[in-house]
Amino acid sequence: TQLLEQSPQFLSIQEGENLTVYCNSSSVFSSLQWYRQEPGEGPVLLVTVVTGGEVKKLKRLTFQFGDARKDSSLHITAAQPGDTGLYLCAGARQTGANNLFFGTGTRLTVIP
Amino acid sequence: DTGVSQNPRHKITKRGQNVTFRCDPISEHNRLYWYRQTLGQGPEFLTYFQNEAQLEKSRLLSDRFSAERPKGSFSTLEIQRTEQGDSAMYLCASSPGQGPYSEAFFGQGTRLTVV
Repeated sequence: TQLLEQSPQFLSIQEGENLTVYCNSSSVFSSLQWYRQEPGEGPVLLVTVVTGGEVKKLKRLTFQFGDARKDSSLHITAAQPGDTGLYLCAGARQTGANNLFFGTGTRLTVIP
Repeated sequence: DTGVSQNPRHKITKRGQNVTFRCDPISEHNRLYWYRQTLGQGPEFLTYFQNEAQLEKSRLLSDRFSAERPKGSFSTLEIQRTEQGDSAMYLCASSPGQGPYSEAFFGQGTRLTVV
C-alpha cells in the first residue's frame, strides 16, 4: 500500500501549457518535499513545505501544502522542455523522522 | 563537487555473486540513508545511519543485505548471493540532521543489474 499517491501518473503536454500534479495521502506529514528526477540520476530536491496551507514559489513552479498537511500540489506555469522529468513527492511522518515516504511519481513530458 | 557521491554508477553481476556499493555523503552531514528504486516506482527506504550507528532498518532489508558506516563518514551496502529481484537503482542520501525537516540530498545512484 502506497502512503502517498500521485496523480496523474503520466502527463504529456505542449510547451507553454500549465499543469498541476497532486500528491495525496490519508496520513498527516510533518513536512513534505518535492523532487525532480531525470533518467539514470538521483532525485534532486526542489522544495520543502512544513506548515499547513504554506505556498512556496520557485520561478515558474508553485508548491502548496494542504491545510491538514495530508496533501500537496505542484503547479507549473508555461511549461518548458527542460521541465521534463519524474516528479516525486516525499513526506516525513514526524519531525526529524529517519526516513521519507515517497509517492509513486508523475512522469512529465513537455513537447517543444 | 560537494554533493553525495556513489560508486560504481553501474554494476552488472551474475546471480549468486556478492556486490558492494559505496556512498560518500556531504561532509558535514551526520545522517545517511539508503533507498532502493525499481523501474516506475518512487524510492523505498532501506536503512538509516546517525553517524556510525545504524538506527533503523526496513523490512525490505533481508539478511542478504548489510550496510556499514564504520567511521561515520562513507557507507557501504553489500548484497550477498544476489538475485534477479535485487536489480534496481540503489540510492544514497544524506542530511545534516540538525533541522527538523529531514531534508535529504541524494546521490546519483548505483544501477544494479543481476543477470
